[in-house]
Amino acid sequence: EAGVAQSPRYKIIEKRQSVAFWCNPISGHATLYWYQQILGQGPKLLIQFQNNGVVDDSQLPKDRFSAERLKGVDSTLKIQPAKLEDSAVYLCASSPGGLVGVAAQYFGPGTRLTVL
Amino acid sequence: AQTVTQSQPEMSVQEAETVTLSCTYDTSENNYYLFWYKQPPSRQMILVIRQEAYKQQNATENRFSVNFQKAAKSFSLKISDSQLGDTAMYFCAFILPYGGSQGNLIFGKGTKLSVKP
Repeated sequence: EAGVAQSPRYKIIEKRQSVAFWCNPISGHATLYWYQQILGQGPKLLIQFQNNGVVDDSQLPKDRFSAERLKGVDSTLKIQPAKLEDSAVYLCASSPGGLVGVAAQYFGPGTRLTVL
Repeated sequence: AQTVTQSQPEMSVQEAETVTLSCTYDTSENNYYLFWYKQPPSRQMILVIRQEAYKQQNATENRFSVNFQKAAKSFSLKISDSQLGDTAMYFCAFILPYGGSQGNLIFGKGTKLSVKP
């Protein structure tokens, strides 16, 4: 079974530029998550999708971050414009959904973003 | 609000020995899940073990076991017969299976474990 795929693996941009990350979850997984992991900290949830609907985006900085999950499969996370403090690893995770899914989130390898 | 605290930023252990990583959490809820995740230098987060709060029996997965003390809100991870491949960041995490924050994994800051040959 293929795992969660993310691209790119690394990205370096200047502040005020825009950037987009892509995630392909495990086939059949209804729920998709984006986490931000700042160096030296644990991941923090940015947004959660159930199929193509948003379940929780309370911690997403909506003035600069946006995310979508078209057709309930792949997802993109965009930052526009980027700030220095956005430097972090962006992790995508997926789960089967439902109570079983609550207990089993599978993570991708992440995208390391550096904002100069 | 739920919080997870890992009080040991770094630990080291000799190969083949046993090490215990500490985790405490705070919640007013009675039903929840607890997890230990491993994040090697390659960065892929891997689930090590999970515990359902309503189960009194401590979870075990091969060399990994937990000591779950619900009243004390403590959830430690014991790694027996440590191997070089166990070198990684270990994160303790908490989740509620219901409500608006369902699916919101709350992580501690992690413990960096080094296994020395």
